[in-house]
Amino acid sequence: DVKVTQSSRYLVKRTGEKVFLECVQDMDHENMFWYRQDPGLGLRLIYFSYDVKMKEKGDIPEGYSVSREKKERFSLILESASTNQTSMYLCASTSGTDTQYFGPGTRLTVL
Amino acid sequence: GQNIDQPTEMTATEGAIVQINCTYQTSGFNGLFWYQQHAGEAPTFLSYNVLDGLEEKGRFSSFLSRSKGYSYLLLKELQMKDSASYLCAVHNQGGKLIFGQGTELSVKP
Repeated sequence: DVKVTQSSRYLVKRTGEKVFLECVQDMDHENMFWYRQDPGLGLRLIYFSYDVKMKEKGDIPEGYSVSREKKERFSLILESASTNQTSMYLCASTSGTDTQYFGPGTRLTVL
Repeated sequence: GQNIDQPTEMTATEGAIVQINCTYQTSGFNGLFWYQQHAGEAPTFLSYNVLDGLEEKGRFSSFLSRSKGYSYLLLKELQMKDSASYLCAVHNQGGKLIFGQGTELSVKP
């Protein structure tokens, strides 16, 4: 059974803090993605990665960075959290020819 | 630019049929996905259309017309558990997905 896990379901941080969101998949997928989901805006792509050590900017990369040191793990980093980064963050992975499989999401609140 | 449109909300009655439309204008197209997302949960895969026509899978069917930039998701014999958000997503180059804003479907008894 396919599995994508995220490190936290709920997270509360303060403005200016550095935040790490971790995503792990056990399907040996090359491609991994980070989205944020906001009411009325749908899912928007932040960053994606086609392979270890590779990363590409998505549609809204500002204020975020990523790390892919191992194939199964893709981390999203908020260098200095701001209130407008309060959102639901979803990680997904795919082999490229198949559907994207999503993790359960992390609801981040920045105070 | 990239644009995917679907209705924001729909309401239907248990046992009925509902059609959720999606129109798209994108720079690349490899196929179109439909996902279901219950409140507070991750999106789950429903269907993937690459060629024109209707794909049926149990109570759910999905249709694609590439020339018209149009797709719909058809849900038959609606059940209360079908109340969810339905996401249309265009499969762009390189495995990337471009999502619509989602359609919130409420099924009433």
